[in-house]
Amino acid sequence: SQQGEEDPQALSIQEGENATMNCSYKTSINNLQWYRQNSGRGLVHLILIRSNEREKHSGRLRVTLDTSKKSSSLLITASRAADTASYFCATALTYNQGGKLIFGQGTELSVKP
Amino acid sequence: GAVVSQHPSWVICKSGTSVKIECRSLDFQATTMFWYRQFPKQSLMLMATSNEGSKATYEQGVEKDKFLINHASLTLSTLTVTSAHPEDSSFYICSASRGGATNEKLFFGSGTQLSVL
Repeated sequence: SQQGEEDPQALSIQEGENATMNCSYKTSINNLQWYRQNSGRGLVHLILIRSNEREKHSGRLRVTLDTSKKSSSLLITASRAADTASYFCATALTYNQGGKLIFGQGTELSVKP
Repeated sequence: GAVVSQHPSWVICKSGTSVKIECRSLDFQATTMFWYRQFPKQSLMLMATSNEGSKATYEQGVEKDKFLINHASLTLSTLTVTSAHPEDSSFYICSASRGGATNEKLFFGSGTQLSVL
């Protein structure tokens, strides 16, 4: 079953603007991950943040995690048209699930040139 | 980086036929692979966890006799959709973890678009 909810479901911005996507989850987690999916393709891992971390950066990506609110956000700064894709958060539960991830509903990002 | 190859990319078949999808880890051994299903503009739904040398673990609501999973080696898992029907049409994606039992990132295949006529 899905445990992640993301908002917004769709986001349209201009190139150069920042894009923020949010993810909420229900159960305790080991870590939370963000993935990107181009239309009709597989997913690409972007960043992983562990339950004891609050913020993480990778290039133009910034991820925050608030375990008290069971929520995370992904910020893409200075967006580019090539960032157009769907973005999913995924949670790894605290007990050993052999790497099993539960995905959120996703945010469809459109960056207009 | 780790590469997961999924084949075929797309397949069209007649209702009642069976379709096999392969998922290979090309440069690492994957003791565990995962199979997901995705409908248009929706999230990935985990179907089953494929374990090398043992039976797959299916998620609730997934018919194990309908979706046969075989993980015969550390680099290959297959998903067979048996007696496919139009409602089985979907995008199927496999993934693998390098860490096996640890909760680390997954590497995904490029997906298979199945269309059942």
